Amino acid sequence: KQEVTQIPAALSVPEGENLVLNCSFTDSAIYNLQWFRQDPGKGLTSLLLIQSSQREQTSGRLNASLDKSSGRSTLYIAASQPGDSATYLCAASTGANNLFFGTGTRLTVIP
Amino acid sequence: NAGVTQTPKFQVLKTGQSMTLQCAQDMNHEYMSWYRQDPGMGLRLIHYSVGAGITDQGEVPNGYNVSRSTTEDFPLRLLSAAPSQTSVYFCASSYGFVSSYNEQFFGPGTRLTVL
Repeated sequence: KQEVTQIPAALSVPEGENLVLNCSFTDSAIYNLQWFRQDPGKGLTSLLLIQSSQREQTSGRLNASLDKSSGRSTLYIAASQPGDSATYLCAASTGANNLFFGTGTRLTVIP
Repeated sequence: NAGVTQTPKFQVLKTGQSMTLQCAQDMNHEYMSWYRQDPGMGLRLIHYSVGAGITDQGEVPNGYNVSRSTTEDFPLRLLSAAPSQTSVYFCASSYGFVSSYNEQFFGPGTRLTVL
């Protein structure tokens, strides 16, 4: 069974700082790796999806990378803002119809 | 588009009661799924559907039933609620299979407490 781990569980940074969130997975035979954002009491919002054949995806200030051989993905956030405060979840797809989620990193950006 | 909607937002049940969590999407997505989110654990797949009339079990299906009579709706039924089913439930949908390049859209969740 795929195990997805996110470390650290929580992170606080001052506004403007660049930061990296980490995601590791045990089964490298993935179809894709997705990053989501979850605000308190809300659902998940898809941020980036990296297919297994890709190395990275970018959207605005966000950049996600994927290294299947090492079982790792990172989410880079540039010039962090207080509005970036949320929980960030990664999820790996290893089957036709399932996503395996990590427990998330709770990010706080301090003004 | 309203996206993925879920009702109710909050629900309190007594052990043994039954209820249905509603999920609807207006994006004409074929794939729909139900997840539960518990503290300290990642979201776990309960049931999923790849189209009207087709459903299958996920990782934690026990105690839950689903049906898919239309493309738009995918209700989740708890037949006899247990305290272990206290959780936040999310419905999600996408155009195609999870393994393809298909963005998953999530509903706002239903917070269920079973006493």
